[in-house]
Amino acid sequence: KAGVTQTPRYLIKTRGQQVTLSCSPISGHRSVSWYQQTPGQGLQFLFEYFSETQRNKGNFPGRFSGRQFSNSRSEMNVSTLELGDSALYLCASSLAPSGGRNEQFFGPGTRLTVL
Amino acid sequence: AQKVTQAQTEISVVEKEDVTLDCVYETRDTTYYLFWYKQPPSGELVFLIRRNSFDEQNEISGRYSWNFQKSTSSFNFTITASQVVDSAVYFCALSEQGGSEKLVFGKGTKLTVNP
Repeated sequence: KAGVTQTPRYLIKTRGQQVTLSCSPISGHRSVSWYQQTPGQGLQFLFEYFSETQRNKGNFPGRFSGRQFSNSRSEMNVSTLELGDSALYLCASSLAPSGGRNEQFFGPGTRLTVL
Repeated sequence: AQKVTQAQTEISVVEKEDVTLDCVYETRDTTYYLFWYKQPPSGELVFLIRRNSFDEQNEISGRYSWNFQKSTSSFNFTITASQVVDSAVYFCALSEQGGSEKLVFGKGTKLTVNP
C-alpha cells in the first residue's frame, strides 16, 4: 500500500510569490491534516480536512489556505510568501477524524525555501 | 490549553547505552491520546506508539519502552541498548479533544547515538 505522498519535495520561491503544495493520502484515508515545521516554532498544526470540508484550523494568517478534493487529495496554498514561511510542510492522513483513535501517517514533507 | 513539554533539547549517548526521553503534557480533557513519533534526517515522521488516557500500562516493543503516568502527566520513552540507527529527533504529541485529528507536538528531542 502506497504511503502518503507530497509534491513537490523541494521548492524555492521568492518573497511575494505564491505556492501550492499537494498531498495524496493513503488509499481509503479521507482525513488530511497539514503541519508546518520550523526550527524556531517546531511542529504547528495548519488545517484539517475531511470530506472536502475544513474541520479545524491552526493559528496562521489568512495567507495560508487549503482545500480537499472529492478523491481526498489535498492542497495548501500560501500567498504573498514571506521569509518566515520557509519551512518543512508535512501532511498526514488517517481513515477519518477520531480524536487520536486512528493512526495518522505522515508524508515525507515539502521543504519550502523563500528567498 | 493543551501543551507538551520535552525539556531535553539534545541528548548524546554512546552506542549500547540506555536513554530516556522525557515528555510532560498538560490538558483539561479526561479522554486524550499521547503519541511518540521519530523523525530521521529524511524528514518523515514515523509513528512509534499511541496510548489513550485510560490505559496506564507500560508498553515494551523490542528495545523501546514507554512509561505513562497520569499522576505526573508524563509519558516517557526509553531506548535500551541504543544503536546508531536510533539517531533522530523524537517528538511527543497529544491529541485534541472533540474528534479532531489535530496533534499538539512538543519541541522534540534530538538524539545522537555515537558509535
